[in-house]
Amino acid sequence: NAGVTQTPKFQVLKTGQSMTLQCAQDMNHEYMSWYRQDPGMGLRLIHYSVGAGITDQGEVPNGYNVSRSTTEDFPLRLLSAAPSQTSVYFCASSKTSLATTGELFFGEGSRLTVL
Amino acid sequence: QKEVEQDPGPLSVPEGAIVSLNCTYSNSAFQYFMWYRQYSRKGPELLMYTYSSGNKEDGRFTAQVDKSSKYISLFIRDSQPSDSATYLCAMGVSGNKLVFGAGTILRVKS
Repeated sequence: NAGVTQTPKFQVLKTGQSMTLQCAQDMNHEYMSWYRQDPGMGLRLIHYSVGAGITDQGEVPNGYNVSRSTTEDFPLRLLSAAPSQTSVYFCASSKTSLATTGELFFGEGSRLTVL
Repeated sequence: QKEVEQDPGPLSVPEGAIVSLNCTYSNSAFQYFMWYRQYSRKGPELLMYTYSSGNKEDGRFTAQVDKSSKYISLFIRDSQPSDSATYLCAMGVSGNKLVFGAGTILRVKS
């Protein structure tokens, strides 16, 4: 089982460039989300989706866009990269409401550096 | 002030020791609580989930929740070098959003 697959694993951008982080899951999970992880800050929720066509903002959504056209895919777009977006990005999915099991399945992360 | 506070460590213990990891929180609306383990350069994985105050045991791991004190703990008995990782507490109000602590780095020395 592939689980949650993120690409690319590493990326270096210049300020102002745009890019898309890809996330795909093969577990037929309705819930998908994007987090960023920074030293001393823990994981912070950027955007999430409870199903195809439905997305909502998390704690730190500014500068990021998402869409959910299929159950499997949940790409994260950086519109105009800034050095403050240097971080490790994690995509995560869940089969049920987080209140039921608390279980998020995470990808291995995408390390982004913005110069 | 952060909603969830967690000492970042690192916490260094000898093999076989009992480890205590803790988080405090300020939002009394949090209903469910989790501990995730994250190995270096990997994504976090769920270790323990609890929905109420009290203790929950799973093998060498015990999760404890005290809602009156807004305090949760994870105890690891007979710690092993393979337990060396970052431990993240997490908690939620509704089913769609989790708030994570900053994580505690644990090192178990053989």
